[in-house]
Amino acid sequence: SQKIEQNSEALNIQEGKTATLTCNYTNYSPAYLQWYRQDPGRGPVFLLLIRENEKEKRKERLKVTFDTTLKQSLFHITASQPADSATYLCAFRGSGYSTLTFGKGTMLLVSP
Amino acid sequence: EAGVVQSPRYKIIEKKQPVAFWCNPISGHNTLYWYRQNLGQGPELLIRYENEEAVDDSQLPKDRFSAERLKGVDSTLKIQPAELGDSAVYLCASSVGGLGTEAFFGQGTRLTVV
Repeated sequence: SQKIEQNSEALNIQEGKTATLTCNYTNYSPAYLQWYRQDPGRGPVFLLLIRENEKEKRKERLKVTFDTTLKQSLFHITASQPADSATYLCAFRGSGYSTLTFGKGTMLLVSP
Repeated sequence: EAGVVQSPRYKIIEKKQPVAFWCNPISGHNTLYWYRQNLGQGPELLIRYENEEAVDDSQLPKDRFSAERLKGVDSTLKIQPAELGDSAVYLCASSVGGLGTEAFFGQGTRLTVV
């Protein structure tokens, strides 16, 4: 079965620094990978999608990379702000699979 | 534009009782998903609809869970009878296309079974 792993430990960083979150997957190759943000008591909010033939995708202060050799996606937030504090979820669908599988999420805490 | 609307927001029931959740997706979105999210976990897909058709219900515990999407718009998810282990947040999401497009989530229904 498809497996997706995110660092379960919270990531604490100082405001202004770059936050880097990791998403690793096993068993089959994702056709694409999505990143979502989830605040407490709210549903996930879509941030970025990157396809298997793309190396990198950017949106404002956000950047996602996709390394199919390492079976890993990295999610970066540059010039982080306290308002970026939330749980970040990655999700993928493997080629030939119909289910979108989510990781457990990584909590990011940005201190002023 | 209104987002995905779910109700109720919270529900507390005793075990063995039935419960139903309702979802109104974004207008024009033909794909609708029901997810369950346990504390500290990511959402897990229960069922996915393309219009009125349930195209992926492999993770739905069919002995006690049922879902319907009449006329390809609103959807309801039902549990009967509820068990203690069903306590979780039930999220509804919708998208314009299928799995390759972004999903818009509702706020969820937090179910507590006592």
